[in-house]
Amino acid sequence: AQTVTQSQPEMSVQEAETVTLSCTYDTSESNYYLFWYKQPPSRQMILVIRQEAYKQQNATENRFSVNFQKAAKSFSLKISDSQLGDTAMYFCAFLDSNYQLIWGAGTKLIIKP
Amino acid sequence: DTAVSQTPKYLVTQMGNDKSIKCEQNLGHDTMYWYKQDSKKFLKIMFSYNNKELIINETVPNRFSPKSPDKAHLNLHINSLELGDSAVYFCASSPQAGLAKNIQYFGAGTRLSVL
Repeated sequence: AQTVTQSQPEMSVQEAETVTLSCTYDTSESNYYLFWYKQPPSRQMILVIRQEAYKQQNATENRFSVNFQKAAKSFSLKISDSQLGDTAMYFCAFLDSNYQLIWGAGTKLIIKP
Repeated sequence: DTAVSQTPKYLVTQMGNDKSIKCEQNLGHDTMYWYKQDSKKFLKIMFSYNNKELIINETVPNRFSPKSPDKAHLNLHINSLELGDSAVYFCASSPQAGLAKNIQYFGAGTRLSVL
């Protein structure tokens, strides 16, 4: 069975610092997709970034980038120049071949002024 | 225009009541989902419908019944509400055209409180 593990329940950093959220997963599939979603206090689930497993190049969206290590089954999210609005729960998710999203337990990120 | 909209946003009700949560998407997607997020923020898939047909039905009490009148709507009806049903329920939708295009877009959630 596929699993997604986020080992950091909570993290906090100062505004403008860089923070990395970790995510590992377990699968026997070769083609899949990985996602990071953000859930701010408004509770809306917002897609942050997506990575295709067959692409070696790490995905980047403005201040958000991933470090995808396929062999290690690791998919960490780096947030550069963190902002107060980045305070949220961050969920790592794996999309399997049945189109089902498998979710991690989430990491609560607090950006301090 | 909101892409995936759920109503109501908040629902407070007594144990034993029957309630419904509505979901509509205007993205033209083929697939819709219902998730439950518990107090520890853990997200669990409940149901998935593709073109009005049920494709995922996780272990959910049969008090929960999804209804899809058309592919743009997926409503969740809950009978005989229990305290443990208190949670945030999310609706989502995605295109089904292959893994490459399967990105799930979420509604704002419905916070259900059973008293």
